[in-house]
Amino acid sequence: DAKTTQPPSMDCAEGRAANLPCNHSTISGNEYVYWYRQIHSQGPQYIIHGLKNNETNEMASLIITEDRKSSTLILPHATLRDTAVYYCIAGANSKLTFGKGITLSVRP
Amino acid sequence: GAVVSQHPSRVICKSGTSVKIECRSLDFQATTMFWYRQFPKKSLMLMATSNEGSKATYEQGVEKDKFLINHASLTLSTLTVTSAHPEDSSFYICSASLGAGWEQYFGPGTRLTVT
Repeated sequence: DAKTTQPPSMDCAEGRAANLPCNHSTISGNEYVYWYRQIHSQGPQYIIHGLKNNETNEMASLIITEDRKSSTLILPHATLRDTAVYYCIAGANSKLTFGKGITLSVRP
Repeated sequence: GAVVSQHPSRVICKSGTSVKIECRSLDFQATTMFWYRQFPKKSLMLMATSNEGSKATYEQGVEKDKFLINHASLTLSTLTVTSAHPEDSSFYICSASLGAGWEQYFGPGTRLTVT
């Protein structure tokens, strides 16, 4: 699996968009970009994934650069319940290699 | 999203005993299930991958005789920690997937404390 790099932490104001960056410069052509999040002491929650095209679902949007070397997860209207560790993972099969993730803190 | 349950959510056992943790996919048939372990303030570490009806594939450094995995049906996988020791105390999390290339759905985790 390609290695991903994320900043250790960031914060945003409640109600504003949270843009979480991820670098995956060594990603292979058949590797997807997955985003999961983990709220303290719970199992991770699937958010979204994509290969080349931008993706949107009820939780978030995923913007992948044309060269696929980086991506951004966008939570359009962050709430306090979105405070969690967010993991960006690049992989070609079912196996997921979790890094340290980025801790998002949403402030009132 | 799909729902995965784990039982028990918490367990305390004495050193030397065995503990079984169940993982169930409630609303879909999971071809593949995964078991992870997470120590405090650390990220999840994959322990093993199991496909229904076949032997689990263990990650390097994970003792297959200590962590017994059974995936007898498309909706149930079990992890048995045999002869548990205090260093096995951890947060054990399972996930289920429709198969290669599909996203994983995670259970809520089981907090194991070995005294």
